[in-house]
Order: sequence, then C-alpha cells, then structure tokens
Amino acid sequence: GENVEQHPSTLSVQEGDSAVIKCTYSDSASNYFPWYKQELGKGPQLIIDIRSNVGEKKDQRIAVTLNKTAKHFSLHITETQPEDSAVYFCAAGRDHSGYALNFGKGTSLLVTP
Amino acid sequence: DVKVTQSSRYLVKRTGEKVFLECVQDMDHENMFWYRQDPGLGLRLIYFSYDVKMKEKGDIPEGYSVSREKKERFSLILESASTNQTSMYLCATFNYEQYFGPGTRLTVT
Repeated sequence: GENVEQHPSTLSVQEGDSAVIKCTYSDSASNYFPWYKQELGKGPQLIIDIRSNVGEKKDQRIAVTLNKTAKHFSLHITETQPEDSAVYFCAAGRDHSGYALNFGKGTSLLVTP
Repeated sequence: DVKVTQSSRYLVKRTGEKVFLECVQDMDHENMFWYRQDPGLGLRLIYFSYDVKMKEKGDIPEGYSVSREKKERFSLILESASTNQTSMYLCATFNYEQYFGPGTRLTVT
C-alpha cells in the first residue's frame, strides 16, 4: 500500500520566520495531497490541498509544492505566528480509492514569540 | 458548513466489551472513513465506505467491523475490546475534500 514519510517530526521557529515540512509518497497513482492542521483536542482541519495536475498552490501565508517525478510535496508557511503552533499532517490519496488517505506521522510545529 | 459528529468525546470500556462508535454527517456525502490516531503513528485507516451497505478494509481492520445502514451514519464496532485498542478514533467524510469529526478518545481498561 501507500507509504507516506513526513519530516521533520518536530520543528521550532521564531515568530516571523518560515517553516517548511516535507513529505514523500510511494504510490505513483496518488493524485490528491492534502495538508491538515490539528490543534489540541480537535480533529484535523484541512488547510490546503493540491491535486496532481498542478505543481504549486498558494493561499495567503501557506503554500504547497508538488514534484510528481520525485514523489514529494512540501508545505511552506511564511511569516509564522504563535497561533500556527500545532501538529501538521500530510496525506496522499487516489480518487479511484474513494480518496482513502494515507497520512504521514505528523510534524509538531512550535512558533516562539 | 459540513458537520461530522461523533457520539462521544470520551469513552471508557472494559476488556471484552462490545463497543459501538457512531458517526453522523449532515451533507449527504457518499464516502465515509474511520481512522485511529496514536502518538508517533499518525492516522491509520481502519475501514471506509463508498455507499450504504458497502465497506472496504483499510490498513488495520483487525478487531474492528463497521456498519452503514443509512448514508449519513457510519458505525465502528469493536467486537471484543482490548487494551491495545485504546486510542483516538476519528470519523471523516469526503466530498472534494475530507472533513473530520472531533474524535472519540477511547480507553479500554
């Protein structure tokens, strides 16, 4: 089955700096790559996603890049703020599997003032 | 807004009990999922369903079963709960993007 590797497992940055989280996947048929933010006591919330027909997508301070050849995708958060502190998960899935997702193990991001 | 609700936020059960975790969604989505989340392991797919009365095994189905009698409701069943099933259980639906419920933290003693 699909294997999604996520790095780093923990990340600490100063407020205002950028944060980058990287994921690799193994199933070349995967075509949907979402990123989730999970705060304590809550379910994961989608923050951005990308489909395999594009290489980059941006939403304000958050961007995701996808390299299908290398089978990796990355989350970029610019101008980080303390409220960005949370656990972030990447995932990969295929539309013809009903979008059952395989998740990375998560990155705990801490933004210090 | 899509709403995915789970019947309990916290649940404590004894070893050997039959446990039902209920999930209800209000957006008529066809695809529903059950994941468990454990520290250091991320989210792992237990079962999913494309439609009423249909189910597919995920990566870790052993010890679990599911029921989908109505489109809006997807139940996860632990036939005989064991301590290694202590975990956070997350239900989700999919329609262009995946929506998660708040989770049920299950403790099996």
